[in-house]
Amino acid sequence: KNEVEQSPQNLTAQEGEFITINCSYSVGISALHWLQQHPGGGIVSLFMLSSGKKKHGRLIATINIQEKHSSLHITASHPRDSAVYICAAKGSGNTPLVFGKGTRLSVIA
Amino acid sequence: GAGVSQSPSNKVTEKGKDVELRCDPISGHTALYWYRQSLGQGLEFLIYFQGNSAPDKSGLPSDRFSAERTGGSVSTLTIQRTQQEDSAVYLCASSLAQYGYTFGSGTRLTVV
Repeated sequence: KNEVEQSPQNLTAQEGEFITINCSYSVGISALHWLQQHPGGGIVSLFMLSSGKKKHGRLIATINIQEKHSSLHITASHPRDSAVYICAAKGSGNTPLVFGKGTRLSVIA
Repeated sequence: GAGVSQSPSNKVTEKGKDVELRCDPISGHTALYWYRQSLGQGLEFLIYFQGNSAPDKSGLPSDRFSAERTGGSVSTLTIQRTQQEDSAVYLCASSLAQYGYTFGSGTRLTVV
């Protein structure tokens, strides 16, 4: 079974700071997902990537398949970025996601 | 529909009662997943459907939990004789092959 580890567990940043959240997994995957969960509980899918790098607005996700590691970066962070960020590993086919425990981000104005 | 719809959004039930949670996935999405998030815990896999069949039920915590999917579309998660430890947010997600997941907004279940 894949083990997915995230770090840090909690992160507090000042508005405008560059933020990095890390995710590592133990077994080869078909895709790595980054999810965002706001205090109300709803989950939004931010990225799904299997290689390289993706960018959406101020968010950047990278993955290194050989090292079994992915990072989520937030540039020019803003208080509205405050949320729990979860990485999840997907095996082949329709196997369910294996989730990390999440990183709770608080961005202070 | 445009997104994954779950109902009810909130449910308070008495210990020992049965509850049904509904998930209406995105039209055409063949795979449907149920996950659970207990207070302060990470997301936990419960069951997954491919079409109407459930190849993987390994995450169901006890035989009080069951789920079905009809017409390759709507799914119902049933919890019989609810216990306080069943209190959690129950999330449904659907996907199509290699594409990303779309999550519903969840059902917050409170057993009192």
